[in-house]
Amino acid sequence: AQTVTQSQPEMSVQEAETVTLSCTYDTSESDYYLFWYKQPPSRQMILVIRQEAYKQQNATENRFSVNFQKAAKSFSLKISDSQLGDAAMYFCAYRSSYNTDKLIFGTGTRLQVFP
Amino acid sequence: AAGVIQSPRHLIKEKRETATLKCYPIPRHDTVYWYQQGPGQDPQFLISFYEKMQSDKGSIPDRFSAQQFSDYHSELNMSSLELGDSALYFCASSSWTVMDSFFGQGTRLTVV
Repeated sequence: AQTVTQSQPEMSVQEAETVTLSCTYDTSESDYYLFWYKQPPSRQMILVIRQEAYKQQNATENRFSVNFQKAAKSFSLKISDSQLGDAAMYFCAYRSSYNTDKLIFGTGTRLQVFP
Repeated sequence: AAGVIQSPRHLIKEKRETATLKCYPIPRHDTVYWYQQGPGQDPQFLISFYEKMQSDKGSIPDRFSAQQFSDYHSELNMSSLELGDSALYFCASSSWTVMDSFFGQGTRLTVV
């Protein structure tokens, strides 16, 4: 069975600085997808970024980028130029290569952003 | 753009009562998922449907049942409610042609 581990329950960053959230996973599959979801105080689950395992290039979405290390089964999220609105719970999630398969979430990292 | 719609947004029930949560997926999405998120926890997969058939099942109690209807909306039925069922229930939808799952805003169920 696949597992997702987020070892940082809480992180903090100052506005305009950069922060990296860690995620490791375990799987025997060779093809899969990894995601970062943001859950602000409204509790809405918002997709931040997606990485396909078959792609060597790290995904980037504006201020958000990932460092995907397939061999190490590591998938970290870097937030650059942090903004107050980035404060939220961040969940790392794994999904098999089947687009209709379920998501397996990590336990989350709460990010605080200080002005 | 249309999003996943869940109703109701909030629900308060007493122990041993029954609750029905509804989910309307994004148009042309054929797969619906239900997740349960307890306080301070990550979302846990309950059950999913693809083309109106159950496609996967997670840690869903026997007291819960769900189905997907011909218009692709889904309902999660919860009976004999317990205090521990108090949680945020998310519905998400996707399709074979879409790599991402899109979440609804959730239904907050409180059992008193």
